[in-house]
Amino acid sequence: DAKTTQPPSMDCAEGRAANLPCNHSTISGNEYVYWYRQIHSQGPQYIIHGLKNNETNEMASLIITEDRKSSTLILPHATLRDTAVYYCIVKGAGGGSEKLVFGKGTKLTVNP
Amino acid sequence: GAVVSQHPSRVICKSGTSVKIECRSLDFQATTMFWYRQFPKKSLMLMATSNEGSKATYEQGVEKDKFLINHASLTLSTLTVTSAHPEDSSFYICSAKEGGSYEQYFGPGTRLTVT
Repeated sequence: DAKTTQPPSMDCAEGRAANLPCNHSTISGNEYVYWYRQIHSQGPQYIIHGLKNNETNEMASLIITEDRKSSTLILPHATLRDTAVYYCIVKGAGGGSEKLVFGKGTKLTVNP
Repeated sequence: GAVVSQHPSRVICKSGTSVKIECRSLDFQATTMFWYRQFPKKSLMLMATSNEGSKATYEQGVEKDKFLINHASLTLSTLTVTSAHPEDSSFYICSAKEGGSYEQYFGPGTRLTVT
């Protein structure tokens, strides 16, 4: 039972920024927001995670609202290879909360 | 990033036989490994969590006698599908986590087809 809500699909033009939203209105204070993606017929790939501050790495940026009830994953310059299903997951920091519960995700299609 | 491998990548077996899938962490010690199953056009469903040297913890609805998990070393976990049936045909994915790390590293998956 995933605790996040994502649009089922999105399209993006190659070279443009892809902004993928996620709602997690029931997130608790010690839960992180994780993003993974799965390219067709491959295992999921970690992208980024955050608690309350915005985060950036070589793959993407993560913007978390001040109330932490939603977040946006930004791929600044989408390429065709970014076509994948993107999963937003909330998860605790440790102890018995190691499990990743995958929802349905957002299927992002990057068009030439 | 850390690398997790799975073997085989693809297997076809006959109904009633058993199939073993290996998951290896190649450059780190995986204190915890997870096994997922994914049916076509569906999301990943966690089957079980295993800690090295301990019995696996299975998710509700997953038969532990049918899906045998062994995590005997810090770099290897195996999933054995016993008495496989066509409905067990699926994409099986493992992930591994080092103690104290926040990140899980996923394997490339194993496509099982039971005929």
